[in-house]
Amino acid sequence: DQQVKQNSPSLSVQEGRISILNCDYTNSMFDYFLWYKKYPAEGPTFLISISSIKDKNEDGRFTVFLNKSAKHLSLHIVPSQPGDSAVYFCAASVRGSGNTGKLIFGQGTTLQVKP
Amino acid sequence: NAGVTQTPKFRILKIGQSMTLQCTQDMNHNYMYWYRQDPGMGLKLIYYSVGAGITDKGEVPNGYNVSRSTTEDFPLRLELAAPSQTSVYFCASRTIRDSTDTQYFGPGTRLTVL
Repeated sequence: DQQVKQNSPSLSVQEGRISILNCDYTNSMFDYFLWYKKYPAEGPTFLISISSIKDKNEDGRFTVFLNKSAKHLSLHIVPSQPGDSAVYFCAASVRGSGNTGKLIFGQGTTLQVKP
Repeated sequence: NAGVTQTPKFRILKIGQSMTLQCTQDMNHNYMYWYRQDPGMGLKLIYYSVGAGITDKGEVPNGYNVSRSTTEDFPLRLELAAPSQTSVYFCASRTIRDSTDTQYFGPGTRLTVL
């Protein structure tokens, strides 16, 4: 049972345009969501996160939107740069009882930004 | 400050062999995690630890063991390697700062079992 899904395996955008990466989840207990970026032969690096008490969080060129009723979140990158080309993972956790920090990851979306 | 380091970077094992994947962090984080990533898939949690001496199973613990004798080290042990354990293994440690809760990942160990 895939609790976190990224249904688009790949996305290609032109430099300077907006990149929108999507993520859906099924577990209504998830209350914290993160996006990680991963370059080949490296570990994932943290990009941005959002708590379920918010519907938007912004950090520079990166904005994450959360729609709890639809169980959907998206990452917007504006403007996109060639250095943004990487695999992007959505992850979710339940920060309630115990708060062990265990993350459930989506399958990833490969973003290619063309110069 | 090296962050999370993992050794080895690559390893080829024969079926039935055993090995230990090493993970060390120098950030004094209590929480540490082991994930595996199969091709085209997301990361799946194998084991985690909330502090020295305390470990627990994740989503896919079968075939693995861990120990946590110090805050810094969290080794992952494969006792009888099987082809299904061919994967990339990532170790991570967790920090909570200014309400941001995130994990720092090591560079990974690429393991092939033949």
